Amino acid sequence: DTAVSQTPKYLVTQMGNDKSIKCEQNLGHDTMYWYKQDSKKFLKIMFSYNNKELIINETVPNRFSPKSPDKAHLNLHINSLELGDSAVYFCASSLLGGLAGGLSDEQFFGPGTRLTVL
Amino acid sequence: AQKVTQAQTEISVVEKEDVTLDCVYETRDTTYYLFWYKQPPSGELVFLIRRNSFDEQNEISGRYSWNFQKSTSSFNFTITASQVVDSAVYFCALSGSGYALNFGKGTSLLVTP
Repeated sequence: DTAVSQTPKYLVTQMGNDKSIKCEQNLGHDTMYWYKQDSKKFLKIMFSYNNKELIINETVPNRFSPKSPDKAHLNLHINSLELGDSAVYFCASSLLGGLAGGLSDEQFFGPGTRLTVL
Repeated sequence: AQKVTQAQTEISVVEKEDVTLDCVYETRDTTYYLFWYKQPPSGELVFLIRRNSFDEQNEISGRYSWNFQKSTSSFNFTITASQVVDSAVYFCALSGSGYALNFGKGTSLLVTP
């Protein structure tokens, strides 16, 4: 069974379109994340949700909107796609998140979604 | 602010050589965690190790070993007797009082037969 899954794996679309990437984890974790990996392989946090509440919202354009319908899902919706949005987007989850009880736990990553904006 | 520096962008070795990947970090947190992740050509991110700031013991797992030194703010990763399957991008990461991982820019390791 896949622990953290993302759909779709590949997404090719035109500039200006709106698209969504879905993420689901079956690990019973409380915290979920979205990271962006650019063409130079640099990984950067975008958002983090803990028990469906937004915890981290880095300086990401407001065209990006995360939605967490429940603890097991964190979807990413992107409006008015731009060329610079082309990247690999990784979803991740962790049991607790942060330093709960002094523990910073391992983050489990999904397989990534490669978004190409033409 | 937190920062992770992986100064080696690319390393190329011949199979069976030992190789060390460097990681230097900056943080003001007194409690923090350090991680290493592997990203093979297939693209997934694979967790390798987590180390907390209070545990400076070195760790060995098979051909992999990690050297954590708070005095130099370093958390280096050594692969002994490298193999072609070790070819990947390796990321060092740091988490502190926040929830997210702060990643270094990665070191691309190529192991040739």
